[in-house]
Amino acid sequence: DIQMTQSPSSLSASVGDRVTLTCRASQDIFNYLAWYQRKPGKVPELLIYAASTLQSGVPSRFSGSGSGTDFTLTISSLQPEDVATYYCQKYNSAPLTFGGGTKVEIK
Amino acid sequence: QVQLVESGGGVVQPERSLRLSCAASGFTFSSYGMHWVRQAPGKGLEWVAVISFDGSNKNYADSVKGRFTISRDNSRNTLYLHMNSLRAEDTAVYYCAKSGSGYVYYSDYWGQGTLVTVSS
Repeated sequence: DIQMTQSPSSLSASVGDRVTLTCRASQDIFNYLAWYQRKPGKVPELLIYAASTLQSGVPSRFSGSGSGTDFTLTISSLQPEDVATYYCQKYNSAPLTFGGGTKVEIK
Repeated sequence: QVQLVESGGGVVQPERSLRLSCAASGFTFSSYGMHWVRQAPGKGLEWVAVISFDGSNKNYADSVKGRFTISRDNSRNTLYLHMNSLRAEDTAVYYCAKSGSGYVYYSDYWGQGTLVTVSS
C-alpha cells in the first residue's frame, strides 16, 4: 500500500507569514491528492482536491501544488483562523490513506 | 445543504458488535459513494471504508477488513457500518463522509461524528 508522509508534524508561525506544508507519497499518485483542514472542535473540511484545485468557498490564500509523489499546501498569509491540523489524502485507489497531519499554530 | 448525521455510537465491550448509521440529506444520495473515516483519541484521521453509489463495490482498510462491513440503503438515504469483533484500538470518533464521485474519491462533506468506545 502507498504511504503518505507529511512534514513537519507541527509548526508555529506569525500572522502574515507564508507557510508551506509538505506531503509525500511512497509511489506515484499522479494528482489524486486532497488537503483537509481540521480546526479544533470542528469536523474536517475539504480545502483542495486534484492537488491544486481550491474547493468552493476556500480563501484564496490557500494553494496547492505538486504531482507524482511530492505535494505542497501553501498559506500565503497566515491568519489566526488558520490554526488547525492539516491532512493530505491520496484517492487514486483504495486504501485512501491519510498523512499523519501537520499542526499549525500561531507564534 | 448537505447534511450527514451519524448515530449508533456508544460504549461496547471487546469482541462485541455495534452498528453505526449515517442519515444523509441535501443531495442525491444514490448517486455518490460514501466513506467512513475515524479518529482515535490523540491520533490522526484514518480512512476505514468506502462503498460505491449503488452498493456494488466496497473497499476496506486492512485494520478492519474481515471485521467491519459497510452497506447502504438508498431507499432510506442511509449509510451503515457494521462492526464486529471490536477491539480497544477501534475506539474512535467515526465520521461518515460523502465522496466527490460515485466511488473512490476525496470526501467533500463530513458528518459531526459518533464516538465508539471499546472497553470492558
